[in-house]
Amino acid sequence: GQQVMQIPQYQHVQEGEDFTTYCNSSTTLSNIQWYKQRPGGHPVFLIQLVKSGEVKKQKRLTFQFGEAKKNSSLHITATQTTDVGTYFCAGPGYSGAGSYQLTFGKGTKLSVIP
Amino acid sequence: SQTIHQWPATLVQPVGSPLSLECTVEGTSNPNLYWYRQAAGRGLQLLFYSVGIGQISSEVPQNLSASRPQDRQFILSSKKLLLSDSGFYLCAWSVSGGIGHTIYFGEGSWLTVV
Repeated sequence: GQQVMQIPQYQHVQEGEDFTTYCNSSTTLSNIQWYKQRPGGHPVFLIQLVKSGEVKKQKRLTFQFGEAKKNSSLHITATQTTDVGTYFCAGPGYSGAGSYQLTFGKGTKLSVIP
Repeated sequence: SQTIHQWPATLVQPVGSPLSLECTVEGTSNPNLYWYRQAAGRGLQLLFYSVGIGQISSEVPQNLSASRPQDRQFILSSKKLLLSDSGFYLCAWSVSGGIGHTIYFGEGSWLTVV
């Protein structure tokens, strides 16, 4: 089935440094979504990108959707301890069982060193 | 507004014992409902999804089962738990009628099988 690959798996940064996580798909995506899961919590929807080349910002977070709609990135400027968590991208695709679902990447776990 | 409730929040169960996790959604009709599992420090694995009452699709063969007795109620069950069933179980919903809709997660249930 279609897979959404996400890198890196882990990232440790010093507070104030920037952070980027990347998401890649082998197939064109109609849209891509990003979620954040705080330690011990549940994933929470951050944003959805739909258009080719789209860029959206949420304060220090910048989300991009590639021109070919096969990749996306999340960039955090000047990380803070509140940014700690796991960031997931998700795109529609066929699962291993053959159903059409929103498929999540394995996530990037961000640690911020104060 | 829509809300999702999931319980119990935590449970410790012996191997071979049964399991029942329950989830209800309020404020929406005919939602798509999902059960995900997240092993410690890992990604989100879709277990079951449902597009309507009594309609359950399984993504991964295992000793778990799901039921949807009412429109906004989703139950995850097992007759005999295995050690490998330990993990963080998340119920989730999305609007019906298509793919790529945002998924909203419940707060999750931590299951430890001992």
